[in-house]
Amino acid sequence: GAGVSQSPSNKVTEKGKDVELRCDPISGHTALYWYRQSLGQGLEFLIYFQGNSAPDKSGLPSDRFSAERTGGSVSTLTIQRTQQEDSAVYLCASSSQGGAGANVLTFGAGSRLTVL
Amino acid sequence: AQSVTQLGSHVSVSEGALVLLRCNYSSSVPPYLFWYVQYPNQGLQLLLKYTTGATLVKGINGFEAEFKKSETSFHLTKPSAHMSDAAEYFCAVSAPSGGSYIPTFGRGTSLIVHP
Repeated sequence: GAGVSQSPSNKVTEKGKDVELRCDPISGHTALYWYRQSLGQGLEFLIYFQGNSAPDKSGLPSDRFSAERTGGSVSTLTIQRTQQEDSAVYLCASSSQGGAGANVLTFGAGSRLTVL
Repeated sequence: AQSVTQLGSHVSVSEGALVLLRCNYSSSVPPYLFWYVQYPNQGLQLLLKYTTGATLVKGINGFEAEFKKSETSFHLTKPSAHMSDAAEYFCAVSAPSGGSYIPTFGRGTSLIVHP
């Protein structure tokens, strides 16, 4: 596609429910990143995919968070048993030069999650 | 480990005034440095980047940044602010870690431009 597409753009859920956030990267981009943006906290790295593999999962905050990527394209971030502290904007980015230091990330507009 | 510090969560300037957004980084190896801008309700987009070579880097919309190794800084400047520059600005550093390059972002600086 022309850009990185994320859905839903907004999600309101009740504490304890599971949510899935989807990212459709730019066609041909092998690297995919998930970040979390909380008010005043900047961007917090969650996970990085190179193809369908996740060589770096170090940023996932807890075992309630998981992510997968299939076909080297679409990725899904799943949060189980959501908590109020999970409320944030979840950003997805893709890059054609995964693993390269000078790689430029193209970001989606984000999925805003609100946990009541 | 790498890290980024952006001084000032908010910077306010008058239209036509100099813009200076500060960024200091920490990295054990020569870093790659970036500035991204986020306009309201939009995704982050690249403003400029430093890889190697010339330490003064020019980006889009009249912005530029200078890599100063001795000061571990990569401050962003623009000679004359425009109302359309109002946005959130993020500095990022990318250095090898465990075989990958994962950009680490600062907390962001909100630029406010007054008429």
